[in-house]
Amino acid sequence: DTAVSQTPKYLVTQMGNDKSIKCEQNLGHDTMYWYKQDSKKFLKIMFSYNNKELIINETVPNRFSPKSPDKAHLNLHINSLELGDSAVYFCASTPGPGYYEQYFGPGTRLTVT
Amino acid sequence: GQNIDQPTEMTATEGAIVQINCTYQTSGFNGLFWYQQHAGEAPTFLSYNVLDGLEEKGRFSSFLSRSKGYSYLLLKELQMKDSASYLCAVKDDKIIFGKGTRLHILP
Repeated sequence: DTAVSQTPKYLVTQMGNDKSIKCEQNLGHDTMYWYKQDSKKFLKIMFSYNNKELIINETVPNRFSPKSPDKAHLNLHINSLELGDSAVYFCASTPGPGYYEQYFGPGTRLTVT
Repeated sequence: GQNIDQPTEMTATEGAIVQINCTYQTSGFNGLFWYQQHAGEAPTFLSYNVLDGLEEKGRFSSFLSRSKGYSYLLLKELQMKDSASYLCAVKDDKIIFGKGTRLHILP
């Protein structure tokens, strides 16, 4: 009965590879988010989708492409991975874009070597 | 520009009270949040303030002054499990997080 789940939990890969992280929520929420938390623990929003539509797209390299097949899923695909992409990526959801309490997934620790 | 400031680290003693301050400068304001994040875990929601004043929830309270761009999180009767990072976040059209305050609790 996990609310927001992410796979994989850990991902170690080499520079130049392409990888995907998956997120699913079973809360019936309409809005989902991707955050990046770097080594200094700074949590920064990357993308937000509301009911499969992109509503927030921060200044993120276009190597990062989110995809929302339905409102319960928001995946993140990263092309040509770089060392600076190493971070923890958190997925989160809210009932709608105006709600304040975010429900975070457990995070995916990505290490690029 | 958007800026949220909070102390990087604080130390307090078990059983004591600690206040974590947060100042913000954002283009819009639709509420201020506090999240707790234990090492290696996801952030969890603590509180939300949109009007001036104090919101109390058990051992935790959060205060907001919109005119001063200021908030604080007050933790009472500190327990060892309160050792964590505390993230201040402001919502304008999206949520912007501060860099977090790492709180160390000493026995």
